[in-house]
Amino acid sequence: EVQLVESGGGLVQPGGSLRLSCAASGFTVSSNYMNWVRQAPGKGLEWVSLLYSGGSTYYADSVKGRFTISRDNSKNTLYLQMNSLRAEDTALYYCAKDFIVATNSHYYYYGMDVWGQGTTVTVSS
Amino acid sequence: SYDLTQPPSVSVSPGQTASITCSGDKLGDKYACWYQQKPGQSPVLLIYQGNKRPPGIPERFSGSTSGNTATLTISGTQAMDEADYYCQAWDRSTVFGTGTKVTVL
Repeated sequence: EVQLVESGGGLVQPGGSLRLSCAASGFTVSSNYMNWVRQAPGKGLEWVSLLYSGGSTYYADSVKGRFTISRDNSKNTLYLQMNSLRAEDTALYYCAKDFIVATNSHYYYYGMDVWGQGTTVTVSS
Repeated sequence: SYDLTQPPSVSVSPGQTASITCSGDKLGDKYACWYQQKPGQSPVLLIYQGNKRPPGIPERFSGSTSGNTATLTISGTQAMDEADYYCQAWDRSTVFGTGTKVTVL
């Protein structure tokens, strides 16, 4: 079964750090394009970060320089290292797999087809 | 930054048609997707590439794109379709729309 399971959320003080994990089963993280998406309480979805299968990384302006996306191929797990946390980073954090077919000259995008259940991060003193 | 604008809310009577718009600069040149999110649940992919449904998505959900606007249409709306709906634009990275709450009255 294709599945994503997030963990690592919790309560952290402003300025603190946290590392989120997203364990995948049924597919290989390193062969796919993987995202972190967050949702603040009562708010909409906000894309946070993307890790290409080739290793390129992209970040939303709101987290650039503070968050780092990475993966451990041996554990088939995606990570999000979050530093210098702020109150506005409080949210439910989802990992999600992009379904992309990439050729030499083009990307064909089929949407975020697998989502985890999310892990909650609360930044508060 | 790139922004996608959706109406905050749409109301529809059971059995009627609901339409949700998503507006963004040159949205038709990007890959447009739609997601449904029910309370306490993770988002579910409804539409990709503007008008295609993944396996298992009911035919009453359809999508279209023209110019700067993508539209999600729910035909014969059912009570179970009451949810939040988000558009997404992909052009090597992702932007989500502001979200629309659909209420089935």
